[in-house]
Amino acid sequence: QVQLQESGPGLVKPSQTLSLTCTVSGGSISSGSYYWSWIRQPAGKGLEWIGRIYTSGSTNYNPSLKSRVTISVDTSKNQFSLKLSSVTAADTAVYYCARGDVDTATTGNWGQGTLVTVSS
Amino acid sequence: QSALTQPASVSGSPGQSITISCTGTSSDVGGYNYVSWYQQHPGKAPKLMIYDVSNRPSGVSNRFSGSKSGNTASLTISGLQAEDEADYYCSSYTSSSTLEVFGGGTKLTVL
Repeated sequence: QVQLQESGPGLVKPSQTLSLTCTVSGGSISSGSYYWSWIRQPAGKGLEWIGRIYTSGSTNYNPSLKSRVTISVDTSKNQFSLKLSSVTAADTAVYYCARGDVDTATTGNWGQGTLVTVSS
Repeated sequence: QSALTQPASVSGSPGQSITISCTGTSSDVGGYNYVSWYQQHPGKAPKLMIYDVSNRPSGVSNRFSGSKSGNTASLTISGLQAEDEADYYCSSYTSSSTLEVFGGGTKLTVL
């Protein structure tokens, strides 16, 4: 069973860049018909899709965040990453990495999530 | 404001059945059979309960079922149990550039 684990700083200063990494175990990040996503959830609020990267390397981003988001993959480390620039307090949230199935368009496997707080 | 509309809360007694609705548009829920439902307990990651409108992943109780009519999808939980108390989110593929949209979530209380 594939497992995902987020890692990165829990505190980021306003205007700086938030950087998170998701380590995948139990399967290769470069095989199969999957996409690898980042989703976030502010405290007490709903889920917001940030973007995804396919095994081909192509990416899709939420238009509301597109100008600030970059998702990349490192197949040698079986990891994929999120960078969100020019952060503000509104970017404070639990960030989840997840795996989706291309054939069913379903995000079926989630990491446990990591809280990132934007504060000076 | 979420792209998909869910009731903020529903409640039911143990043993009863409840239904949670998820309303979108023809660009998402109504246009594709790619609706998923997630259960989220406090402090935990979402767990997939239903995918492609009505399919259950392995290991999910058959008390959970999904359906769709027009632009509205529904999650039904029968034989409510205390451990079903959680937040439930729907999601759908969308033809817009967003690709994946979520509902605002529904808090289920088991009385």
